[in-house]
Amino acid sequence: GDSVTQMEGPVTLSEEAFLTINCTYTATGYPSLFWYVQYPGEGLQLLLKATKADDKGSNKGFEATYRKETTSFHLEKGSVQVSDSAVYFCALRGGSQGNLIFGKGTKLSVKP
Amino acid sequence: GAGVSQSPSNKVTEKGKDVELRCDPISGHTALYWYRQSLGQGLEFLIYFQGNSAPDKSGLPSDRFSAERTGGSVSTLTIQRTQQEDSAVYLCASSFLALGGRSDTQYFGPGTRLTVL
Repeated sequence: GDSVTQMEGPVTLSEEAFLTINCTYTATGYPSLFWYVQYPGEGLQLLLKATKADDKGSNKGFEATYRKETTSFHLEKGSVQVSDSAVYFCALRGGSQGNLIFGKGTKLSVKP
Repeated sequence: GAGVSQSPSNKVTEKGKDVELRCDPISGHTALYWYRQSLGQGLEFLIYFQGNSAPDKSGLPSDRFSAERTGGSVSTLTIQRTQQEDSAVYLCASSFLALGGRSDTQYFGPGTRLTVL
């Protein structure tokens, strides 16, 4: 079945460091791909998405490119801030009814 | 505009009791999903409603779990005879279009934290 694998955390970075969170997927066809973020004490929020190969999703300085050849959707940010501290979930829209299939989540902590 | 709302935000119950969790989707959204977030299992899909169609129950972990959706809007997730392993955060999400459109986005509510003692 469809699945998502993302790098395990926690990830601890200093402010202004470069961030990469790896995400790969297994799916039939070409699913839409998503990154969701969960800030401490808050619900899941959509960060960015891509719906077809080579699409680049971007938001709040974060980017991810849908790579069909490597079945990947890695999340990147050039300069992280303390306020980016959160748990990040990679997901694909799969299943027979379009439910989201999530990775395990990666906790990011950014130190001043 | 109003997002997805869920109630209660927290629920503590005793093992063996029944609980009901409520979800109000974004107005006009035809699709509604329930997920469960727990430490051991991460985020799991539970059940899906599309409009007034019969729900897809393929993700429900046991027959103690059931859900209904009233008039294509509000949904209630019911857990009967709760067990300690049911302790988790139950999340509801809605989207405007679940079939056909590739770019539909699911918007999540804040969740209900269920603790079974």
